[in-house]
Amino acid sequence: GQQVMQIPQYQHVQEGEDFTTYCNSSTTLSNIQWYKQRPGGHPVFLIQLVKSGEVKKQKRLTFQFGEAKKNSSLHITATQTTDVGTYFCAGISGNTPLVFGKGTRLSVIA
Amino acid sequence: NAGVTQTPKFQVLKTGQSMTLQCAQDMNHNSMYWYRQDPGMGLRLIYYSASEGTTDKGEVPNGYNVSRLNKREFSLRLESAAPSQTSVYFCASAQEFGSPLHFGNGTRLTVT
Repeated sequence: GQQVMQIPQYQHVQEGEDFTTYCNSSTTLSNIQWYKQRPGGHPVFLIQLVKSGEVKKQKRLTFQFGEAKKNSSLHITATQTTDVGTYFCAGISGNTPLVFGKGTRLSVIA
Repeated sequence: NAGVTQTPKFQVLKTGQSMTLQCAQDMNHNSMYWYRQDPGMGLRLIYYSASEGTTDKGEVPNGYNVSRLNKREFSLRLESAAPSQTSVYFCASAQEFGSPLHFGNGTRLTVT
């Protein structure tokens, strides 16, 4: 079945450093979604990418969808303590429901 | 607007006991989902209902049953709880199948 791999599993950064998490699917995706989960909270939808090669920005966050629609990345510029949490990608392929990656847990050291 | 409401927030069961986790959404969404989250395992889909009147198995359905009671409500039942079902359970809804998910606050279940 469809698999979504996400790396790294953990990332510790100094405040002000950049952060990137990568997502790879075993199948071509129709769309990919990104979620953020704060410690003790629930996942919250951030963004959806649909088009091949698409790039979207939300303030310091940049999301990319690969040309082959099998990979994606989330880049955070100049991390802040408010960025702490786990970032999940989730992909859809065909008529199957969303498949989540295992997430990247980001810690920011002030 | 409450969004997605899950009850209870916490529950402790003994092995073999049964219980039902309740979920309701007030966003008029068509699709609803149950996930479990375990450390290092991400979010795994238990069951989902793409639209009212339909339910389908997800990745980890064994030991669970669901009921889409109406458009608003989607319940998850554990008939005979096992320690392996200790987890955090999230209900989610979406406008349509494949649309972005709105999650509830979760139910933390411990089975002893």
